[in-house]
Amino acid sequence: QKEVEQNSGPLSVPEGAIASLNCTYSDRGSQSFFWYRQYSGKSPELIMSIYSNGDKEDGRFTAQLNKASQYVSLLIRDSQPSDSATYLCAVNSGGYQKVTFGTGTKLQVIP
Amino acid sequence: KAGVTQTPRYLIKTRGQQVTLSCSPISGHRSVSWYQQTPGQGLQFLFEYFSETQRNKGNFPGRFSGRQFSNSRSEMNVSTLELGDSALYLCASSLGWTGGNEQFFGPGTRLTVL
Repeated sequence: QKEVEQNSGPLSVPEGAIASLNCTYSDRGSQSFFWYRQYSGKSPELIMSIYSNGDKEDGRFTAQLNKASQYVSLLIRDSQPSDSATYLCAVNSGGYQKVTFGTGTKLQVIP
Repeated sequence: KAGVTQTPRYLIKTRGQQVTLSCSPISGHRSVSWYQQTPGQGLQFLFEYFSETQRNKGNFPGRFSGRQFSNSRSEMNVSTLELGDSALYLCASSLGWTGGNEQFFGPGTRLTVL
């Protein structure tokens, strides 16, 4: 069983729409959750971190966490073609810096 | 503030050789984690160092090893290279004091084993 699961996509949305990316995790004791964006051929770039249940907003990005359902999501409002990338969900469940990554969801924003 | 740097950026080796990769973390960060990224397996955790001590280790064979120096710079070594070791090797730095500290990635080293 994968510890962090994401739909690989591709998820295609039209420009200006809301993109919704989802992630589930298996370790109920997980405390820290991260979203990274990775363009093709580049390294992952941190978008947001979230630690408590609820929503956290940063510009066009909103991260949502539901620990009871073991579910974390990322919403991208007003999607732009430049948002086309693979989005990685990461979960720290082992203390310190033992982070497990999902395999990523590829997002395509269609102009 | 300068970001995470990795050297070299590209490397071509042959089977059986060994390789050493280097990572310099963000100033003030004491934790360095190493990951292997391949198209089939995604990002796989190799190990993490904090203040020159390995704190966490992933499920990789003993051919993969690392160390960290007193200035927090870290090196990763792979001995007896196999074709399957071809991958993008990424290091990430963080403050490292808690599991909630955010990690920031370097540009990676692309290793090709022939």
